[in-house]
Amino acid sequence: QQQVKQSPQSLIVQKGGISIINCAYENTAFDYFPWYQQFPGKGPALLIAIRPDVSEKKEGRFTISFNKSAKQFSLHIMDSQPGDSATYFCAATNAGGTSYGKLTFGQGTILTVHP
Amino acid sequence: DSGVTQTPKHLITATGQRVTLRCSPRSGDLSVYWYQQSLDQGLQFLIQYYNGEERAKGNILERFSAQQFPDLHSELNLSSLELGDSALYFCASSVRTGGGYTFGSGTRLTVV
Repeated sequence: QQQVKQSPQSLIVQKGGISIINCAYENTAFDYFPWYQQFPGKGPALLIAIRPDVSEKKEGRFTISFNKSAKQFSLHIMDSQPGDSATYFCAATNAGGTSYGKLTFGQGTILTVHP
Repeated sequence: DSGVTQTPKHLITATGQRVTLRCSPRSGDLSVYWYQQSLDQGLQFLIQYYNGEERAKGNILERFSAQQFPDLHSELNLSSLELGDSALYFCASSVRTGGGYTFGSGTRLTVV
């Protein structure tokens, strides 16, 4: 019940295209859903996050869509750029619960944006 | 620079040895988390400390232990190392428990 399933494992997009990464969770106690971006040799960096009281959150070219009833959320990267090429992780946690903020991560998506 | 400092960046050691990884959280952050990242297991939560106290434990092996000191820096001790312990070890910190947190650049451990 703690799993977060992420797809696809890898994604190739042309410059200017839309990148879409999907995640599904099982634990209904999860109440905070961040996305992290990781470049080779670096630690994951928080990109954008959402709580289940909203269905969408947008920050620049990055948008999270959240479907509480389906227990799914997705990251959309508009106008994808070669500099967006990285590994993206979705995650989930029960921010106020007994898990004390432990993040459960998806397996990651390697995004490659071709110029 | 994320503000979370991890040392050393790289570590090569032999099987059976013991190593200590160090993490200094961002200024003001009270929570420290340790994660292990390997190719086949992804990012796995190991353990969390909040203001010096252990708060949550993941699938951390008995050979591994950690602590958070009064100055809030944390150390992860890995002993009786095996080849399978080779991985990236990340520390992250946050102001409180829960919510998004900031990762360090990691320590790459290679056990030979």
